[in-house]
Amino acid sequence: QQQVKQSPQSLIVQKGGISIINCAYENTAFDYFPWYQQFPGKGPALLIAIRPDVSEKKEGRFTISFNKSAKQFSLHIMDSQPGDSATYFCAASPGGSGSRLTFGEGTQLTVNP
Amino acid sequence: DAGVIQSPRHEVTEMGQEVTLRCKPISGHDYLFWYRQTMMRGLELLIYFNNNVPIDDSGMPEDRFSAKMPNASFSTLKIQPSEPRDSAVYFCASSLGAGVPLKLFFGSGTQLSVL
Repeated sequence: QQQVKQSPQSLIVQKGGISIINCAYENTAFDYFPWYQQFPGKGPALLIAIRPDVSEKKEGRFTISFNKSAKQFSLHIMDSQPGDSATYFCAASPGGSGSRLTFGEGTQLTVNP
Repeated sequence: DAGVIQSPRHEVTEMGQEVTLRCKPISGHDYLFWYRQTMMRGLELLIYFNNNVPIDDSGMPEDRFSAKMPNASFSTLKIQPSEPRDSAVYFCASSLGAGVPLKLFFGSGTQLSVL
């Protein structure tokens, strides 16, 4: 029940295309859903996050869509760029504080020039 | 700000040896987290501190693992004795509690190899 399932495991997109990564969870106590971006040799960095009281959040080219009834959320990267090539992790945490993050398995995104 | 600083960046040791990983959080941050990353299990929370006090250590795999935070600017994660299955990247992260939900800032990690 603590798991967060992420797909796909890897994704290849052409420059300018849309990258879509999906996550699903079971624990209804989860109420904070961040996405992290990780480059090789670096730690994860917070990209964007959403609370379940909204269905969508957009920051620049990055959008989170959230479906509370389906217990699913997704990351959309519009106009994908080679610099977006990284591993992306979804995560979820209960209690609103974000202190007990459960991470998805990660998606390795490659954006070809 | 220099960000979260972890040392060493790489550690190679033999099974049975003691390993100590170190972390300096961002100045002023009052939360500190230790995560482990492996291919098999992904990113796992091991333990976290608030104001130098351990709050949740339920992710610590077994008694061979211990973590301390003697002051607000330093934490250690110790493995004694180490085993090959402990090989992983260990990340430290810190956060400011005034911003809820917490925004975690991760260090660059320590790559541990136990032979």
